[in-house]
Amino acid sequence: DTAVSQTPKYLVTQMGNDKSIKCEQNLGHDTMYWYKQDSKKFLKIMFSYNNKELIINETVPNRFSPKSPDKAHLNLHINSLELGDSAVYFCASSPDRVGGEKLFFGSGTQLSVL
Amino acid sequence: AQTVTQSQPEMSVQEAETVTLSCTYDTSESDYYLFWYKQPPSRQMILVIRQEAYKQQNATENRFSVNFQKAAKSFSLKISDSQLGDAAMYFCAYRSGPSSGSARQLTFGSGTQLTVLP
Repeated sequence: DTAVSQTPKYLVTQMGNDKSIKCEQNLGHDTMYWYKQDSKKFLKIMFSYNNKELIINETVPNRFSPKSPDKAHLNLHINSLELGDSAVYFCASSPDRVGGEKLFFGSGTQLSVL
Repeated sequence: AQTVTQSQPEMSVQEAETVTLSCTYDTSESDYYLFWYKQPPSRQMILVIRQEAYKQQNATENRFSVNFQKAAKSFSLKISDSQLGDAAMYFCAYRSGPSSGSARQLTFGSGTQLTVLP
């Protein structure tokens, strides 16, 4: 069973479109994250939710809106997609508020904006 | 703010040989943790090893070990008896400790792509 699963794995779309990426974890963790990995492989945190409550919101355009319907799910909605949004987006979860050795990642969603 | 630097974008090693991946970091904190993550082609991030800054003893996990030099702010990863399955992107990461009072999220380096040659 996949611990952290995100869909879709690949997403190709036109500039200006709105798209969503879904994430689910079956580990019973309280905290979930979205990370962005750019073309140079830099991995940076975007958001963190603890029990459906937003606890970290890094400097991310407000076109990105995370939604956590319950603590097992954290979806990422992106409005008006831009070329610079092309990246791999990783969902992750951990049992506590801090990341590290108990951080489990999904396998990523590669977003390509044309 | 903390920074993590991996100066080797790519490394290669012969199967069964040993390779060392470099990582340096910059921080004014005394309480922190360091990690090495592996990202194979499947893109999944997998924790390889971690080190608490207050521990002088270098962490080891089977064929993986670290050389932690706190004064030099260096945290290299040594992979012994390299296997084909070790081929991946390796990321060094930093996290503040409990006493830091900061958000304590991971700061990643830019990664080192390791190729294992048969």
